[in-house]
Amino acid sequence: QQQVKQSPQSLIVQKGGISIINCAYENTAFDYFPWYQQFPGKGPALLIAIRPDVSEKKEGRFTISFNKSAKQFSLHIMDSQPGDSATYFCAARGGSQGNLIFGKGTKLSVKP
Amino acid sequence: GAGVSQSPSNKVTEKGKDVELRCDPISGHTALYWYRQSLGQGLEFLIYFQGNSAPDKSGLPSDRFSAERTGGSVSTLTIQRTQQEDSAVYLCASTPELANNNEQFFGPGTRLTVL
Repeated sequence: QQQVKQSPQSLIVQKGGISIINCAYENTAFDYFPWYQQFPGKGPALLIAIRPDVSEKKEGRFTISFNKSAKQFSLHIMDSQPGDSATYFCAARGGSQGNLIFGKGTKLSVKP
Repeated sequence: GAGVSQSPSNKVTEKGKDVELRCDPISGHTALYWYRQSLGQGLEFLIYFQGNSAPDKSGLPSDRFSAERTGGSVSTLTIQRTQQEDSAVYLCASTPELANNNEQFFGPGTRLTVL
C-alpha cells in the first residue's frame, strides 16, 4: 500500500513559469515532510522541508504548501529555470526507525 | 567537507552471484539508512542503523539481503544469490541522530545490474 502518492509523474514547464507538484499521504502520524531533488546519476538532495504545524514554508523560489486536514502538500517552484530540470520526490517521515517514505517522483523539464 | 560516499558506483553481476555494496557515511553521523530505487519508482526503505545496531530488519526484501555496520561508520549491504529483480540503484543516507527532523544526506548510489 503506497503511503505517499505523488503527481504528476512528469511535468513540462516553460522558463519563468510555475511548477507545481502535489503529494498526498495517509498516515496522520507522519511528522516531517521533505522534498528532495535528484539529478541523473546523483543521490537525492534535500530541497525544502516542512512540519505539519506549519501551513507554508518558502525558501527562495521554492514553497511548500501544507494542508493538514486534507493530508496533502505541494511544492511550488516559481520562475522555473532550465537548471531546475530534475526529478523531485516528496517524502514523509513516519517509519518507526525515522525512515522516509517516498512518493514515486516527478520528472520536471523546464524548457528555455 | 566530504559527503556520503558509496562504492562501487556501478556493479554488473551474473544471476546467482553475491555482491557487496559499501557506504561511507559522513563522519560523526550516527544514523545510517539504506534505500533501493528501482527504475521509475520512489525510494524503498531497506534498513536502518543506529550506531552499529539494526533494530529492525523487516524492510529487507528477502533473506538474501543482509547488512552490517562496523565502528559506527562504514556499512556493507550484501545480496546473496542475486536475481534480476535485484537490479536497482542502492542508496545510502546518513544523519547526525535519529529523528528530530534531521536531514538525511544521500550518497550517489550504487547502480546494480544483474544479468
